[in-house]
Amino acid sequence: AQKITQTQPGMFVQEKEAVTLDCTYDTSDQSYGLFWYKQPSSGEMIFLIYQGSYDEQNATEGRYSLNFQKARKSANLVISASQLGDSAMYFCAMREDPSYGGSQGNLIFGKGTKLSVKP
Amino acid sequence: GAVVSQHPSWVICKSGTSVKIECRSLDFQATTMFWYRQFPKQSLMLMATSNEGSKATYEQGVEKDKFLINHASLTLSTLTVTSAHPEDSSFYICSATVPDFTQPQHFGDGTRLSIL
Repeated sequence: AQKITQTQPGMFVQEKEAVTLDCTYDTSDQSYGLFWYKQPSSGEMIFLIYQGSYDEQNATEGRYSLNFQKARKSANLVISASQLGDSAMYFCAMREDPSYGGSQGNLIFGKGTKLSVKP
Repeated sequence: GAVVSQHPSWVICKSGTSVKIECRSLDFQATTMFWYRQFPKQSLMLMATSNEGSKATYEQGVEKDKFLINHASLTLSTLTVTSAHPEDSSFYICSATVPDFTQPQHFGDGTRLSIL
């Protein structure tokens, strides 16, 4: 079973508008971290934002915010005021706590969402 | 933020050649490095986990004799694709991290490998 599910293969958004990229996850661990990465066409992976499983407040980093709903196991990324440079692949990922065993602490990635910002 | 350097960025070589890719953490000591492979328009697929001073742990289906990983120091891990063939052509990307699972992994810029 997929541990990270991103149901939107592609999304379009108008420049200056906000967009939400969906992510749901599956884990039986109580302790884990959720991450979003951006991958432009050049290939590098850019870390955007982090949400811990015990964090009560939604994470924010500049124009990025994470809508964390723990009971629903969702961690959606919200990008406000979209810019042309936001066009890229976006990956949701989870890192489970290796101290519980079974995890090496590696990131588990979703399939990604390709965001295209229209001028 | 933390910087991870991956070299080379591009490799084009003949079938049968062995290719070494280096991954260096420049400003922190990476106890663990991960190697991923990415096919076009797909997600990152974990190949192996590399811990300093110990043997790498390979994911199921990854040939350890084909993809040799060495993590000789806290700042350097290498992936050697031995006797590369066209089917090994792909985008390879490394990441480095510390044991704290709440910390992000920091990625190199990746290596595009083309085997002719």
